[in-house]
Amino acid sequence: GAVVSQHPSWVICKSGTSVKIECRSLDFQATTMFWYRQFPKQSLMLMATSNEGSKATYEQGVEKDKFLINHASLTLSTLTVTSAHPEDSSFYICSASRGRGEKLFFGSGTQLSVL
Amino acid sequence: SQQGEEDPQALSIQEGENATMNCSYKTSINNLQWYRQNSGRGLVHLILIRSNEREKHSGRLRVTLDTSKKSSSLLITASRAADTASYFCATWNSGGSNYKLTFGKGTLLTVNP
Repeated sequence: GAVVSQHPSWVICKSGTSVKIECRSLDFQATTMFWYRQFPKQSLMLMATSNEGSKATYEQGVEKDKFLINHASLTLSTLTVTSAHPEDSSFYICSASRGRGEKLFFGSGTQLSVL
Repeated sequence: SQQGEEDPQALSIQEGENATMNCSYKTSINNLQWYRQNSGRGLVHLILIRSNEREKHSGRLRVTLDTSKKSSSLLITASRAADTASYFCATWNSGGSNYKLTFGKGTLLTVNP
């Protein structure tokens, strides 16, 4: 099956710093990638849809200046949490699909802890 | 908002027993998918059932879909301790120009050895 690689797996940072998370599709081109956020024992909440070569589409309530998404190539999307605060601590997961309406392949997730 | 709603929220069974999880959704769908998530990991796709299908099998998994009731069920037969995980149903939804996969709240399955 297709592989989506996400790095880092976990990161601890100080409040006020920025953190970048990378998501790569290793064996297929992904024009669209999705970024989710998950709190403990809860479901995935879609944050934004990352579109290659264009601006990301953010879900309602997600600050685009806080969560910067860049999809510079067909195999790489990055999520940057800017000026992180403890409330940004969460599990972030990226995913990609070979085609619209089909199954998603997920990265292994990034656990962010902001001190 | 979540498109799918699973029940039960948590299920604890003994190894060898069957586990059934249900999912309801609200809008029209082209397909419905089930995913599994081990604690602290990404999700793994289990099975996709299209709107014109009523039942689908994959190994020990059996998925049913009732579009008239807007519901689906996932049955895991002869469960194993390794099946312990959270299970989510998901459907594609369009919001304007944005086509996105929305997940239900999930069922936490615990299989006791």
